[in-house]
Amino acid sequence: DGGITQSPKYLFRKEGQNVTLSCEQNLNHDAMYWYRQDPGQGLRLIYYSQIVNDFQKGDIAEGYSVSREKKESFPLTVTSAQKNPTAFYLCASLQGVFSGANVLTFGAGSRLTVL
Amino acid sequence: AQSVSQHNHHVILSEAASLELGCNYSYGGTVNLFWYVQYPGQHLQLLLKYFSGDPLVKGIKGFEAEFIKSKFSFNLRKPSVQWSDTAEYFCAVNAPDSSASKIIFGSGTRLSIRP
Repeated sequence: DGGITQSPKYLFRKEGQNVTLSCEQNLNHDAMYWYRQDPGQGLRLIYYSQIVNDFQKGDIAEGYSVSREKKESFPLTVTSAQKNPTAFYLCASLQGVFSGANVLTFGAGSRLTVL
Repeated sequence: AQSVSQHNHHVILSEAASLELGCNYSYGGTVNLFWYVQYPGQHLQLLLKYFSGDPLVKGIKGFEAEFIKSKFSFNLRKPSVQWSDTAEYFCAVNAPDSSASKIIFGSGTRLSIRP
């Protein structure tokens, strides 16, 4: 089955440590996204990538970094500079650009808790 | 830059009541509009979308939404809700003239249905 795999599902880290969340898709989609979901704040865009080796900052990119070395992979690193990293992180992908036929597909998410 | 506002944070209804969830966006150009739903423990999934044409769009599970350009609104409606509609609902906007691949979500509305 085609889809998006996020790992790990749950992650606990100590304050000050960097952590990398994995996102892999086998949908052959061009664009990939990272969102952060917090109660009462909805989904906020961290980074997105339209093609390999290119990515753009979203609305809350500070304290995060990404890479897009392969079409199917878009890992997110939560650095120690992120002031409030505890959250639910969602990865998504899109074939081409938004159209009547193309919409976002989401992964199951990764819940990061910083102790 | 585009933004989305959902003013209803938590809505509580009884079964068979009618539903309307508000969504307003801020962007003066062409927009693509979406409603996504997140049922408890499940992935985010598309409920309906508007790209062009008839401003009244119908989605899955009896939901519909009306695009009113003059009001910058895309409210979600359902004439008679069921207990199974308990979920969180997110409105989202894409501005293809500004950034073809960027999509911004609102803060979400939690819907609770009393059996």
